[in-house]
Amino acid sequence: KQEVTQIPAALSVPEGENLVLNCSFTDSAIYNLQWFRQDPGKGLTSLLLIQSSQREQTSGRLNASLDKSSGRSTLYIAASQPGDSATYLCAVKSSASKIIFGSGTRLSIRP
Amino acid sequence: GAGVSQSPSNKVTEKGKDVELRCDPISGHTALYWYRQSLGQGLEFLIYFQGNSAPDKSGLPSDRFSAERTGGSVSTLTIQRTQQEDSAVYLCASSLLGGGSSYNEQFFGPGTRLTVL
Repeated sequence: KQEVTQIPAALSVPEGENLVLNCSFTDSAIYNLQWFRQDPGKGLTSLLLIQSSQREQTSGRLNASLDKSSGRSTLYIAASQPGDSATYLCAVKSSASKIIFGSGTRLSIRP
Repeated sequence: GAGVSQSPSNKVTEKGKDVELRCDPISGHTALYWYRQSLGQGLEFLIYFQGNSAPDKSGLPSDRFSAERTGGSVSTLTIQRTQQEDSAVYLCASSLLGGGSSYNEQFFGPGTRLTVL
């Protein structure tokens, strides 16, 4: 059974710092892994999707990596800004239908 | 529309009543997912529709929950005889491809916040 874990549950850093969010999963047989952000009271916004054959994806200040053999993904945020404050969720597609979400990392960027 | 839409945005109901939640996926998306997010919890998979295939209902928590997708587009999630523990945000997502595709980026709607009194 696939389990997805995100550590830490919460993180607070000063503006301008680079930071890394972690996601781990127990079953390496995955189709893809997707990172989302969720703002309070809102739905999820897709940030990056990494297919199983890929090692990383980049979008602007965001870079996501995938290491299936170790069951890990990281989301790197460069030069953090207060607007990056949100909850970040990773989701693993490990079957044709199910997508398993981690419980998220609540990120706060201090001005 | 440009994105996934859900209605209503908020629903307050009394225990024991039935509710229907609606999801309009992005036009042309073949896959549709329902999730539930309880307060302080992660997202819980409920049900998945892919084209004309039989849906994967393995995430539905009880037989009070059902969903249908008409014409391969709009989906309705129905909760019968609602209980207080059903209170949560119900999120719908769609993707262009589904099934075994490794490229099936999900796009989420804003959710329906259900409160059962």
